[in-house]
Amino acid sequence: GAVVSQHPSRVICKSGTSVKIECRSLDFQATTMFWYRQFPKKSLMLMATSNEGSKATYEQGVEKDKFLINHASLTLSTLTVTSAHPEDSSFYICSASTAGETDTQYFGPGTRLTVL
Amino acid sequence: QKEVEQNSGPLSVPEGAIASLNCTYSDRGSQSFFWYRQYSGKSPELIMFIYSNGDKEDGRFTAQLNKASQYVSLLIRDSQPSDSATYLCAVNLSSGNNAGNMLTFGGGTRLMVKP
Repeated sequence: GAVVSQHPSRVICKSGTSVKIECRSLDFQATTMFWYRQFPKKSLMLMATSNEGSKATYEQGVEKDKFLINHASLTLSTLTVTSAHPEDSSFYICSASTAGETDTQYFGPGTRLTVL
Repeated sequence: QKEVEQNSGPLSVPEGAIASLNCTYSDRGSQSFFWYRQYSGKSPELIMFIYSNGDKEDGRFTAQLNKASQYVSLLIRDSQPSDSATYLCAVNLSSGNNAGNMLTFGGGTRLMVKP
């Protein structure tokens, strides 16, 4: 149980385009989803926390207009990187927690974004 | 002082030995503690969690929590080369700016198990 999927697993795009990443909880309802980014050999950095049906809470320094998060249902959250630039190239990972285990996070497999 | 601290390593142990990974945290009121394993290029996967003082065993893994000293550790018995990865300690800090279920991660300790 507690499986989280992400799509796509890898994406290459041109500078200036937008990229949407989907995060799905496959066998449970995710009351909260989290979005992280990770640069090579660096630790996880929390970008934002989203609860179903409400606006995401962004961490300090994360531009909410650039990283659009939508948590439309209890099994799906999306992260859209708008007007991507090469410095946005990173490993983006989502996680989800359930109502029953509110502080246990289950991670998706991650999406590797490369912006040319 | 970082809220959750780990030695970055690498920690090198021979195959079959016990690997001991340590983590300290700043908030004495924290209640929930997690260990994740992350292979290079992959996302973290949950190994185990612990809420109470003492030891919790799951197969070759044992988590140890000492709230008075504010540390949590992970022991890996009979270490295998496949255990080579970065181990992340995560804490649900009880500080006021926590959303309630947000985890604060340490920087991770890289473990290398040599055959």
